[in-house]
Amino acid sequence: DQQVKQNSPSLSVQEGRISILNCDYTNSMFDYFLWYKKYPAEGPTFLISISSIKDKNEDGRFTVFLNKSAKHLSLHIVPSQPGDSAVYFCAASEGQGGSEKLVFGKGMKLTVNP
Amino acid sequence: GAVVSQHPSRVICKSGTSVKIECRSLDFQATTMFWYRQFPKQSLMLMATSNEGSKATYEQGVEKDKFLINHASLTLSTLTVTSAHPEDSSFYICSARDNLRSGNQPQHFGDGTRLSIL
Repeated sequence: DQQVKQNSPSLSVQEGRISILNCDYTNSMFDYFLWYKKYPAEGPTFLISISSIKDKNEDGRFTVFLNKSAKHLSLHIVPSQPGDSAVYFCAASEGQGGSEKLVFGKGMKLTVNP
Repeated sequence: GAVVSQHPSRVICKSGTSVKIECRSLDFQATTMFWYRQFPKQSLMLMATSNEGSKATYEQGVEKDKFLINHASLTLSTLTVTSAHPEDSSFYICSARDNLRSGNQPQHFGDGTRLSIL
């Protein structure tokens, strides 16, 4: 039973446009959500996180939106750049800190075309 | 920023060999580290939580005698895959969190170890 779902395996966008990556979860006890980016042969790199007490968190070109009632979050990247091409993982945990175990989605491959 | 180093990055060995993987937090202390495994086209699955100075906590279905975890210091955790078999071939990755910094702190990941058992 997958508690964190990234239903689209891939996304392709043009440079300069917005990339929207979606993530759904089933466990209502999750209260901390993270996005990681992963390049081939490297470990995941932390991008941005959001606590369940917020519905939006912004960091530069990256914004994460959380809709608790729908158990849905999304990552917006604008403007998208070719260097953003990578696999993006959504993760969630019960507890407000990173010491709790993370449950990951399967990832989504983003390709930003020049 | 927080850096986690994992070594080796790739291992190819014969069936029956035991393989040790090291995970180090380079610029912070971590009382808790995590070991994940990822199969192709699958998500990262938590195997166990490594606790400094105490026994690791294993997830359901993960054999503790197969995957030995030692967390002897605040900056080092090791995972030993004992008597590895081809089905143990996978991508193993560790993470750690800076326990001394306040507020929500994310887990930071090593670059992973690609284990191939012939």
